[in-house]
Amino acid sequence: AQTVTQSQPEMSVQEAETVTLSCTYDTSESDYYLFWYKQPPSRQMILVIRQEAYKQQNATENRFSVNFQKAAKSFSLKISDSQLGDAAMYFCAYFTYNTDKLIFGTGTRLQVFP
Amino acid sequence: SQTIHQWPATLVQPVGSPLSLECTVEGTSNPNLYWYRQAAGRGLQLLFYSVGIGQISSEVPQNLSASRPQDRQFILSSKKLLLSDSGFYLCAWERTSYEQYFGPGTRLTVT
Repeated sequence: AQTVTQSQPEMSVQEAETVTLSCTYDTSESDYYLFWYKQPPSRQMILVIRQEAYKQQNATENRFSVNFQKAAKSFSLKISDSQLGDAAMYFCAYFTYNTDKLIFGTGTRLQVFP
Repeated sequence: SQTIHQWPATLVQPVGSPLSLECTVEGTSNPNLYWYRQAAGRGLQLLFYSVGIGQISSEVPQNLSASRPQDRQFILSSKKLLLSDSGFYLCAWERTSYEQYFGPGTRLTVT
């Protein structure tokens, strides 16, 4: 069965600095999608970035980028120039055609200090 | 543009009472729809998903049920709530690129 592991329950970063959130997953599939979602205090889940497994190039969305290591089954999120508004829970998620479901990790709480 | 609505935003219900949470999507047709539950400080648990009207798949055996009476409407129900049903309920719709977009959620407290 596919699983998603986020080994960092909490992380903190100073404003304007860079932070990396870790995610590993377990799968026997070769074709799948990976996502990072942000859940601010309002609790609405917001899609931050996605990565297709067949693409070697790492996805980037403004200050957010990923480091996708398919062989290692690793999918980390890097936030550059951290802002106070980045403080939230971040969830890594995995999707495959076979199950047609998103499987979420347990989340990492990111605190941003001024 | 597409938007997803959920109501109510907050609900406090006594044990044994019925439940009905509604989710509607605008600006798209025949979306895949999902119900998730999030317990305090935890990740998301998939409860139900639907690929079309009247088509519901259940992920977790429980006293909850789901229905999809219209293309863009997804309803989560219970005949008798349990204390363990408390949580944050999120509805999501899936775009063609397998991205899921979430509604604002309903906070349910069973007393």
